Amino acid sequence: EIVMTQSPATLSVSPGERATLSCRASQSITSHLAWYQHKPGQAPRILIYGASSRATGIPARFSGSGSGTEFTLTISSLQSEDFAVYYCQQYSNWPLTFGGGTKVEIK
Amino acid sequence: EVQLLESGGGLVQPGESLRLSCAVPGLTSSTYDMSWVRQAPGKGLEWVSSLSGGGRSTYYADSVKGRFTISRDDSKNTLYLQMNSLRAEDTAVYYCARGGVAHFWYFDLWGRGTLVTFSS
Repeated sequence: EIVMTQSPATLSVSPGERATLSCRASQSITSHLAWYQHKPGQAPRILIYGASSRATGIPARFSGSGSGTEFTLTISSLQSEDFAVYYCQQYSNWPLTFGGGTKVEIK
Repeated sequence: EVQLLESGGGLVQPGESLRLSCAVPGLTSSTYDMSWVRQAPGKGLEWVSSLSGGGRSTYYADSVKGRFTISRDDSKNTLYLQMNSLRAEDTAVYYCARGGVAHFWYFDLWGRGTLVTFSS
């Protein structure tokens, strides 16, 4: 099983600032990585697939990078609606696995 | 806007069974891969099971293998998760999720979930 490790667990950021979230895979997953945003009581929302492709309707302030085992989600200028939990997920191998999540909170 | 709608959650006793349903607009096209993902209280997302478009291939997490069965009825635009021999650790919100383009197994559309809890 591929273990996905996200860091930090919690990120405190002021609105308008940049947020950088990390995700590491225990073995190479090439670019088979997705990022999701999840708010309490809501459906998770896909942000990024293929490590760097923005999903339909996702604002340009969200960007993904990386390949192999190291990946990054960057939110260039945090808006109030961006405070949420973010998960990475690998889809290179079965079982599909998620990282433990990074909570982005208001500083 | 396309939405997925889960139903069937509830309060159960250990050892009991429950069937979850997910209404999937457009499932009759049979090209969508579909999955179930769960989130236990205070925990992160955990993949549970997946079913390929056309229903040829099924996949299960080790934690549910032999107890849960994923299926679909394309004529009813519905995805199912039959859960047998339920355990306290199965307590979670269960989300259905649609697979990504070109049959890649990321999830491009999710429902809001249905809660499965255990009575003490």
